[in-house]
Amino acid sequence: DTGVSQNPRHKITKRGQNVTFRCDPISEHNRLYWYRQTLGQGPEFLTYFQNEAQLEKSRLLSDRFSAERPKGSFSTLEIQRTEQGDSAMYLCASSLGTGDEQYFGPGTRLTVT
Amino acid sequence: AQSVTQLGSHVSVSEGALVLLRCNYSSSVPPYLFWYVQYPNQGLQLLLKYTSAATLVKGINGFEAEFKKSETSFHLTKPSAHMSDAAEYFCAVSRKESNYQLIWGAGTKLIIKP
Repeated sequence: DTGVSQNPRHKITKRGQNVTFRCDPISEHNRLYWYRQTLGQGPEFLTYFQNEAQLEKSRLLSDRFSAERPKGSFSTLEIQRTEQGDSAMYLCASSLGTGDEQYFGPGTRLTVT
Repeated sequence: AQSVTQLGSHVSVSEGALVLLRCNYSSSVPPYLFWYVQYPNQGLQLLLKYTSAATLVKGINGFEAEFKKSETSFHLTKPSAHMSDAAEYFCAVSRKESNYQLIWGAGTKLIIKP
């Protein structure tokens, strides 16, 4: 296991379509985080999981955004009815436990046309 | 609320020169502090972290950072810049009271002149 992986790396979709991204964390890591990053900005926190429990989701950008981590392993982030403003890099990170450093995946770049 | 300020959205240094990237945080309690580096179209890579042990923290690729409580700063330095250091650098903080959620600075793009 060499790190956090994310798929797909790039996604181009038309406005109004739904998209789903997958994140596979480092295998022994209990915490998994989702961020959004736009050009020239730092990551913007969206949500995180402790095992399968979603402990913070108030920062999800709208009710079109949802995330799951059904078995406490991989996670998915879904955006419904995409808008052009959703175009960004979506980053996933994992950590061993609370307070530990987060390790990031390569990100999924979403382009909404 | 916590915040992180990185002075200078762009910093340009000559190859071989000292690199200094500034980070100040606002927190009444010393937080955990991190520096991450991001190369174009890639995710973020941890350079180093401070977690209340030694105030001078050594990281990867020859970088180090010093925690100064009195100045609420955690500046990143490298004695001699290399062309491969060209990237964007982010400072971040987290605290137990905020459930260790990372609060990020806006980033500093490091440009290396040959």
